[in-house]
Amino acid sequence: DVKVTQSSRYLVKRTGEKVFLECVQDMDHENMFWYRQDPGLGLRLIYFSYDVKMKEKGDIPEGYSVSREKKERFSLILESASTNQTSMYLCASSFRRGYNEQFFGPGTRLTVL
Amino acid sequence: ILNVEQSPQSLHVQEGDSTNFTCSFPSSNFYALHWYRWETAKSPEALFVMTLNGDEKKKGRISATLNTKEGYSYLYIKGSQPEDSATYLCAPYSGNTPLVFGKGTRLSVIA
Repeated sequence: DVKVTQSSRYLVKRTGEKVFLECVQDMDHENMFWYRQDPGLGLRLIYFSYDVKMKEKGDIPEGYSVSREKKERFSLILESASTNQTSMYLCASSFRRGYNEQFFGPGTRLTVL
Repeated sequence: ILNVEQSPQSLHVQEGDSTNFTCSFPSSNFYALHWYRWETAKSPEALFVMTLNGDEKKKGRISATLNTKEGYSYLYIKGSQPEDSATYLCAPYSGNTPLVFGKGTRLSVIA
């Protein structure tokens, strides 16, 4: 049973803080993804990774960076949090690019004050 | 960015009604089409991954069809139940980019 876990369900941070969101999957998936979900905008891809140490920008990478040092872990970093980064963040993983379903974590609701 | 359209945006049906919604996507460079169900306070869960033109998939009361030549997929729910209330997302895969999710159709089933 695939499991994707995220480090926090709820997080409150202050403007300018550095924020780390961690995602871990236990099914040896090559592909991992970070999305944010905002009302009326759907799921938008921030960054993705098809392999360890590999990262690619998604549709909205500005203000974010990522790290993938191990296959099972994909971290999203907000270098200097801003109020417009208040959102729901979802991590996902999959086996084969595009041909296999993505498995999603429970999400992190981040509030930046 | 791939243009993915889902219609309607939202839908309210009575328990027992059957319903369907549409996902439209570019028909060029098509590799696969995903459907996900996203219930409130939960994570999106995959319903189907479809790859072949004319493909039809079924899971219980939910089924989906795919037309890759004209670039659309239909999701059908037969005899809607309150537990079917969710947002249904589609996401095409074109091979050169990751999945692009539509904004979804929000279904509310009224008991």
